[in-house]
Amino acid sequence: EAGVAQSPRYKIIEKRQSVAFWCNPISGHATLYWYQQILGQGPKLLIQFQNNGVVDDSQLPKDRFSAERLKGVDSTLKIQPAKLEDSAVYLCASSSLRRSRNEQFFGPGTRLTVL
Amino acid sequence: AQSVAQPEDQVNVAEGNPLTVKCTYSVSGNPYLFWYVQYPNRGLQFLLKYITGDNLVKGSYGFEAEFNKSQTSFHLKKPSALVSDSALYFCAVRVSGGYQKVTFGIGTKLQVIP
Repeated sequence: EAGVAQSPRYKIIEKRQSVAFWCNPISGHATLYWYQQILGQGPKLLIQFQNNGVVDDSQLPKDRFSAERLKGVDSTLKIQPAKLEDSAVYLCASSSLRRSRNEQFFGPGTRLTVL
Repeated sequence: AQSVAQPEDQVNVAEGNPLTVKCTYSVSGNPYLFWYVQYPNRGLQFLLKYITGDNLVKGSYGFEAEFNKSQTSFHLKKPSALVSDSALYFCAVRVSGGYQKVTFGIGTKLQVIP
């Protein structure tokens, strides 16, 4: 089966600019996650979707970050405006609803550099 | 609040020797525990999980982990290390039931020396 797809793989922007990331989960996976992984740290959950509804966005900086999952399939994460501290790898993951205790499948990530 | 501690930033082991990567956790309720591996410039890959049942769980690439409830630990082990095992390893925990958030540790870099 195809894995989790993410684009772009790399992005360099200047602070105060906007950026968007795209994720296409594994077919049939109802749960989709966005993580932020800062260098030297573990992934931090930003937002978790169940189908097209938000389950957890407690760690999403809502003044600048937004995410949507229209139609319960692919998802976009947006940062507007970006700050220097947003430089990180943004990971998308998905898991199956039917096996809710299951592992997550991760995409390759988008490396964001904010100058 | 739930948390994961990986006390070692880096573990060095000679090829062919047994390896252990340590993980302890804190959670209110019954834990689900996971190990993931991350190779350079790649996303995380699932290795193994503990949900319930036998405390010793076996996973991919010959790795295993032992759940110890009294010590709140879930150490990753392998009897004989390979150079190709060199990577970043993450322990993760979530509470059982519902759509619970997974919390990751900061990772441990494993270096297998030829």
